[in-house]
Amino acid sequence: DIQMTQSPSSLSASVGDRVTITCRASQSIHTYLDWYQQKPGKAPKVLIYATSSLQSGVPSRFSGSGSGTDFTLTISSLQPEDFATYYCQQSYITPRTFGQGTKVEIK
Amino acid sequence: QVQLQESGPGLVKPSETLSLTCTVSGGSVSSYYWSWIRQPPGKGLEWIGYIYYSGSTNYNPSLKSRVTISVDTSKSQFSLKLNSVTAADTAVYYCARDTGNCFDCWGQGTLVTVSS
Repeated sequence: DIQMTQSPSSLSASVGDRVTITCRASQSIHTYLDWYQQKPGKAPKVLIYATSSLQSGVPSRFSGSGSGTDFTLTISSLQPEDFATYYCQQSYITPRTFGQGTKVEIK
Repeated sequence: QVQLQESGPGLVKPSETLSLTCTVSGGSVSSYYWSWIRQPPGKGLEWIGYIYYSGSTNYNPSLKSRVTISVDTSKSQFSLKLNSVTAADTAVYYCARDTGNCFDCWGQGTLVTVSS
């Protein structure tokens, strides 16, 4: 299985801050990397697929980059509704695997 | 707008079989892959497996010996069976549409507790 490792596991930030979350794969997954946002008690919601493609309806303050084994999710200006847990996931091969999550909390 | 809804018992006894159904509305199951994903309380996400509308399946090796996913295109439903459950199978179970690129639509999730 491909192991996905996110960092940090949690972070505190203020509204308006630029936030960066990283995800590392245990082997190359090319650009088959997706990012999800999950709020408490809710299902995850896809933000970005194929490393940098913004899912329809997702605000443009979210962006993704990377290739191979190292990937980044950036929130350019954190908004109150962005406080949540974020997961990366590789869609290169099965079994599909997720990172352990990064919880973004209010500072 | 495609919507997915999980249904099934919220409590299953140890050693018995967990059975869930996902009903797809606003779209057809006769395309895409359809996945089951679970999340133990307070923990991360684990992909269980998927089925293609043709019936071909792919399971997580960690669960493969206990999992069966099936599809009923006439009812726009797909189902999960997980046998010989233990407390470690307690989780919120989600069904999701898998485009091959990402899970773009999810059900709301259903909590299944394994307990006697």
